[in-house]
Amino acid sequence: AQSVSQHNHHVILSEAASLELGCNYSYGGTVNLFWYVQYPGQHLQLLLKYFSGDPLVKGIKGFEAEFIKSKFSFNLRKPSVQWSDTAEYFCAVNARGSARQLTFGSGTQLTVLP
Amino acid sequence: KAGVTQTPRYLIKTRGQQVTLSCSPISGHRSVSWYQQTPGQGLQFLFEYFSETQRNKGNFPGRFSGRQFSNSRSEMNVSTLELGDSALYLCASSSRWPGELFFGEGSRLTVL
Repeated sequence: AQSVSQHNHHVILSEAASLELGCNYSYGGTVNLFWYVQYPGQHLQLLLKYFSGDPLVKGIKGFEAEFIKSKFSFNLRKPSVQWSDTAEYFCAVNARGSARQLTFGSGTQLTVLP
Repeated sequence: KAGVTQTPRYLIKTRGQQVTLSCSPISGHRSVSWYQQTPGQGLQFLFEYFSETQRNKGNFPGRFSGRQFSNSRSEMNVSTLELGDSALYLCASSSRWPGELFFGEGSRLTVL
């Protein structure tokens, strides 16, 4: 079975600071990878996804993530955060070829100070 | 295009009761998944339905069940409620896979 680790439970940054949120998964096979975001009072939304190809993927709102297969990692980055990025961020993995089941990490609460 | 709609949004039950939650997927989406979100356990997969068939089930007791109708709408049921069932229950729909899961706003269940 897959598992996902998000090591940072709460990150506090000032506006314009750079962001990197860690995500590591454990699964020996091929995976589909996702980052979802949950803004206060809103539903989960997809930020970006990786299925195959270029390991550097770009998502919405200036976010990007890099898949490093050798490290089983899919870290999320943004060069300059804004107050509106305050939200909870979830990394998720799906074993390629399996059912439409996502295994989520425990989430990282990001607080951006104005 | 309307998003995923879940009803009711909030409900309070007492231990031993049962509850039914409803989910209307995005039009055209034939797959519906359910997740439980709690502060302690995070987001956990409950089950997935496609064309009225349960295709996958997570590690939850048999008190948790679901079904999907011919119009792709789905319901999940929890019987003999326990305090630990208090959670936000999220429904998600999708069209193609791999692809994106579109989540609803959830049904927040409180068990007293």
